[in-house]
Amino acid sequence: GAVVSQHPSRVICKSGTSVKIECRSLDFQATTMFWYRQFPKQSLMLMATSNEGSKATYEQGVEKDKFLINHASLTLSTLTVTSAHPEDSSFYICSAEDPSSYNEQFFGPGTRLTVL
Amino acid sequence: AQRVTQPEKLLSVFKGAPVELKCNYSYSGSPELFWYVQYSRQRLQLLLRHISRESIKGFTADLNKGETSFHLKKPFAQEEDSAMYYCALRTGGYQKVTFGTGTKLQVIP
Repeated sequence: GAVVSQHPSRVICKSGTSVKIECRSLDFQATTMFWYRQFPKQSLMLMATSNEGSKATYEQGVEKDKFLINHASLTLSTLTVTSAHPEDSSFYICSAEDPSSYNEQFFGPGTRLTVL
Repeated sequence: AQRVTQPEKLLSVFKGAPVELKCNYSYSGSPELFWYVQYSRQRLQLLLRHISRESIKGFTADLNKGETSFHLKKPFAQEEDSAMYYCALRTGGYQKVTFGTGTKLQVIP
């Protein structure tokens, strides 16, 4: 199946700094990518839907100025956590839709963010 | 709004026993239902989708619109089936997928 990568796999940062997470579809073009957040032993919570060349659609309760999403190309979406705080510590997962595979979502391995 | 409910957080069965992971959904339109699996230390991956009506790794799931359910079943559990299983719902048009809270399946040797 299609492959989605995320970078970095884990990051530790100081409170108040910004962190960028990249999500890439390696062997297909994804017009739509999704960003999820997963708390320990809980389900995935959709944060936003990212469409190439347009503004992301954020879910209710997700601050768009806090979680900046850029989908500049058909293979890359980035999530920037601005002015990170300890409560932003979480596991962030992206997925990408492959239109050639019935729009199946392929998931990245996730990024563990720890804010000190 | 759509919702997916997985009532069991943990399901433990013995190897060779039948497995049924429950999933109920609420959505007023025509849904697309999926089961995703996450093995230990691996990424989430699609197990099966209701529109394909196929059996993957011995698992099947039937969409019951009357009961708004999409339970995952396997007649004989294997140790390698131990994983987290998430039921998910996708609504037409807008491609958003809503996940259930997940059920951890533990197959006891």
